[in-house]
Amino acid sequence: AQSVTQLDSQVPVFEEAPVELRCNYSSSVSVYLFWYVQYPNQGLQLLLKYLSGSTLVKGINGFEAEFNKSQTSFHLRKPSVHISDTAEYFCAGGGIQGAQKLVFGQGTRLTINP
Amino acid sequence: EPEVTQTPSHQVTQMGQEVILRCVPISNHLYFYWYRQILGQKVEFLVSFYNNEISEKSEIFDDQFSVERPDGSNFTLKIRSTKLEDSAMYFCASSEVRGNQPQHFGDGTRLSIL
Repeated sequence: AQSVTQLDSQVPVFEEAPVELRCNYSSSVSVYLFWYVQYPNQGLQLLLKYLSGSTLVKGINGFEAEFNKSQTSFHLRKPSVHISDTAEYFCAGGGIQGAQKLVFGQGTRLTINP
Repeated sequence: EPEVTQTPSHQVTQMGQEVILRCVPISNHLYFYWYRQILGQKVEFLVSFYNNEISEKSEIFDDQFSVERPDGSNFTLKIRSTKLEDSAMYFCASSEVRGNQPQHFGDGTRLSIL
C-alpha cells in the first residue's frame, strides 16, 4: 500500500530565505507524486506533479521538487519565499490511473516571517 | 480556468440529521472523488466514482454515506444520520478520463455537527 510522510508539521522561515519541505513515500507500484497548497480558507491547489521523466519538476509560484527514487523522497523547494507563500502544503501520491485515490501526507504549515 | 465548485461553504447540522453536500465537477471530467479533512489531521480519501458507480471506497465510507450523480453536472455526498465525528472539511475533486491528469479540488464544505 502506498503511504506518504511529511516529516515537518511546521516550518517557519524568514522572507526571502530558501525553504525545503520534506516528503517521503513508499510504494510497490508506479509512483505518481504531487504537491498541493492550501491557502487559508481555501481548497487544495495543485503546485506541481511528478509522473515520469525528468526528476526535477517545476511548478507554479517558483516552487520545484525533485523526485529521488533511491531515497524515496519528493522534497519541495523554493529559493526565496514571500509572505504570500504562507499556507499549508500537502504531499500526495497516487491518483492517476483511472479513478485512483490520492494518499496525502500530514501536511506542513509554512509560515513566512518578515 | 475551470473550477470545481462546492456548496455550501459551511453547513451546520444537528446530530442525527441528514446532510447533503454538493459539488459541480469540471465539465469534461468523468472521475469524481470525495475527501475529508478533520481539523488538524491529514486529508483522507472517502470515495471515488466513475460511470455512475463507486470505483473505490475507504473504511470511513460506511452505510451512512452515499454518493450520487443526479444529473449531468452535480455530484453529491449524503450523510444519512450525522455524528459529531463527521465534523470536518469535505473536499470534492474531479479528473479527466485521459491518462496522467491530476485531480482538481474544490474549496471544500466545512461541516459542523452540533
